[in-house]
Amino acid sequence: GQQLNQSPQSMFIQEGEDVSMNCTSSSIFNTWLWYKQDPGEGPVLLIALYKAGELTSNGRLTAQFGITRKDSFLNISASIPSDVGIYFCAGQIISSGSARQLTFGSGTQLTVLP
Amino acid sequence: GAGVSQSPSNKVTEKGKDVELRCDPISGHTALYWYRQSLGQGLEFLIYFQGNSAPDKSGLPSDRFSAERTGGSVSTLTIQRTQQEDSAVYLCASRGAANYGYTFGSGTRLTVV
Repeated sequence: GQQLNQSPQSMFIQEGEDVSMNCTSSSIFNTWLWYKQDPGEGPVLLIALYKAGELTSNGRLTAQFGITRKDSFLNISASIPSDVGIYFCAGQIISSGSARQLTFGSGTQLTVLP
Repeated sequence: GAGVSQSPSNKVTEKGKDVELRCDPISGHTALYWYRQSLGQGLEFLIYFQGNSAPDKSGLPSDRFSAERTGGSVSTLTIQRTQQEDSAVYLCASRGAANYGYTFGSGTRLTVV
C-alpha cells in the first residue's frame, strides 16, 4: 500500500522562529492534507491542497502540493506556544471505485520553547 | 450534533474481553471512517462506510475486529477477545459528500491489561 515518509519526526524551536516539515510518497496522490493534533484530541484539518504545484496559506501556515504529486511541505512562520502539537500529512487518491481513505504520515512532534 | 462524538473516551479492559466503541458522526455526513493510532504513530486506516455501499474492511487487522453502521448514522467498532497489542486510540471521522476534509472525533483510548 501507499506509504508516506514524514520528516522531521520531532522539532524543538524557539518562539518566533519559522519551521518547515515535509512528506514524501512513493505513490502519486490527488490530494494532500495537513492536520494538527493536540493531546487527547482528534486531528484537525489545517490546509487542503488539490492541485499539483498549488501553494496555499492559512494565516501563518503555508503548504505546497509538489509538482510530482509525490510530496508536500508545511511551513509555520513566527511560531507561538499554541503551535505545539503533532502535525500529520495525509494523502488521498480519488478514483472511481476506490475508497477515499486517507494515508497518514507518522507525524512531526513540534515543541515551541519560550 | 456539531461534531463527531465518540464514546467512551477511555476504556480499560482485561485481555480476552470484548469491547464496543461508538461513533456518532456529524449529521448528514455520508462517509464514516475508523482509524487506529498507536502511541507515537500515525493513523492506521481500519474501515470505511459510504452511504449504503458495502464497507471497505481492508484495513481491519484481524477477524477479531468488526464494525457496523446502523441507519447510515451511528457506527460501532467491536473488538473481540482483546489483546494487549490492541491498546491504542481509536479515532472516528466523518465526511460530507462534497468535502474532502474529514472531521475527527476525540477518540477512544483503549487500554488492554
